[in-house]
Amino acid sequence: AQKVTQAQTEISVVEKEDVTLDCVYETRDTTYYLFWYKQPPSGELVFLIRRNSFDEQNEISGRYSWNFQKSTSSFNFTITASQVVDSAVYFCALSEGGSGGSNYKLTFGKGTLLTVNP
Amino acid sequence: KAGVTQTPRYLIKTRGQQVTLSCSPISGHRSVSWYQQTPGQGLQFLFEYFSETQRNKGNFPGRFSGRQFSNSRSEMNVSTLELGDSALYLCASSRSGSPYNEQFFGPGTRLTVL
Repeated sequence: AQKVTQAQTEISVVEKEDVTLDCVYETRDTTYYLFWYKQPPSGELVFLIRRNSFDEQNEISGRYSWNFQKSTSSFNFTITASQVVDSAVYFCALSEGGSGGSNYKLTFGKGTLLTVNP
Repeated sequence: KAGVTQTPRYLIKTRGQQVTLSCSPISGHRSVSWYQQTPGQGLQFLFEYFSETQRNKGNFPGRFSGRQFSNSRSEMNVSTLELGDSALYLCASSRSGSPYNEQFFGPGTRLTVL
């Protein structure tokens, strides 16, 4: 069965600090996909990034970066020089790519509430 | 391009009633998924539809049901409401629902059961 663990329930930082959100996943599939979503106070989940299990290359997008390590089953998300607008709940999610009915769904972690204080 | 829309945005019902929520996916998207979000359980998968067929279902009782129409719009129904059904119900659409497709979420319907 697939599972996603986000051990940090809440993180509070001061603006301009760097912050890393942890994500650990479990799956038996060799093909799977990992996602990060952001949920601001308005409630709508916003897609941030997708990674497939065959691509361990780290990715950077502006102040955001992602570190995918299959050896530790982790897909961590770092925000550099955080800003107040980054305050939100961040979710890590997993979908399995094997055949069968286990597909077509996202399994989410419980989320990490990030508060960036001015 | 319009995003995923959900109606109504807020609902208040009493125990025992039933409720129908509606979701219109992004134009061209054929897969619609539903999720329930609560403070205690987080985001949980309800079901996924593609071309009017349910392809996957989460671990929810039979009181939760859904359907998809030929225009890809989807509805979910909850019968005999219980207090524990109070939640934010999120609909998501994707092109094909394949595991590598990112899902685009609507703003949700906030259901309160009294």
